[in-house]
Amino acid sequence: DTAVSQTPKYLVTQMGNDKSIKCEQNLGHDTMYWYKQDSKKFLKIMFSYNNKELIINETVPNRFSPKSPDKAHLNLHINSLELGDSAVYFCASSQTSGGVAQYFGPGTRLLVL
Amino acid sequence: SQQGEEDPQALSIQEGENATMNCSYKTSINNLQWYRQNSGRGLVHLILIRSNEREKHSGRLRVTLDTSKKSSSLLITASRAADTASYFCATAQTGANNLFFGTGTRLTVIP
Repeated sequence: DTAVSQTPKYLVTQMGNDKSIKCEQNLGHDTMYWYKQDSKKFLKIMFSYNNKELIINETVPNRFSPKSPDKAHLNLHINSLELGDSAVYFCASSQTSGGVAQYFGPGTRLLVL
Repeated sequence: SQQGEEDPQALSIQEGENATMNCSYKTSINNLQWYRQNSGRGLVHLILIRSNEREKHSGRLRVTLDTSKKSSSLLITASRAADTASYFCATAQTGANNLFFGTGTRLTVIP
């Protein structure tokens, strides 16, 4: 059983398109996150939800919109994709918020052409 | 910057040798964690050390924390080729809801 899963694993798209990435966790955790990892492996927090409520909203273009339909799912929608959005996006979950151990999904590799 | 910094950026050793990676950070923390990332995969949590702990062990891993120097080290003993990965430290800073990840150390273990 995969603990944190993401779809799709790879996403290749044209500039200007809109795309979504989905994340699901079956660990019963309350908190979920989206991270962006750039080509230099730097991992930057984008958003975090705790029990479907947004608790972290870092400085991210408003073309990025997270949505949590329930505490097991956290999706990321990106409008008007730009070349600089190319990166690996990781979903993660943790039992609670507040700096406890996090469990990561396998990542979605986004390439914007 | 709130992120930690790992040192060295890259490390190459022979199988069987020990590998030591260091992490420095700047603010007050509740705990510090180490994660491993194999190429093309997600991060995997390895070990968590609380701010009131000085040393922790897990299998071949040994982590130390010096809050006065704001630094931590990860020692992997008797390394194996399968330990080849990037290793990240992450700090749980006081009052923050998330972790702040370092820049990572790329470890290569040569069989």
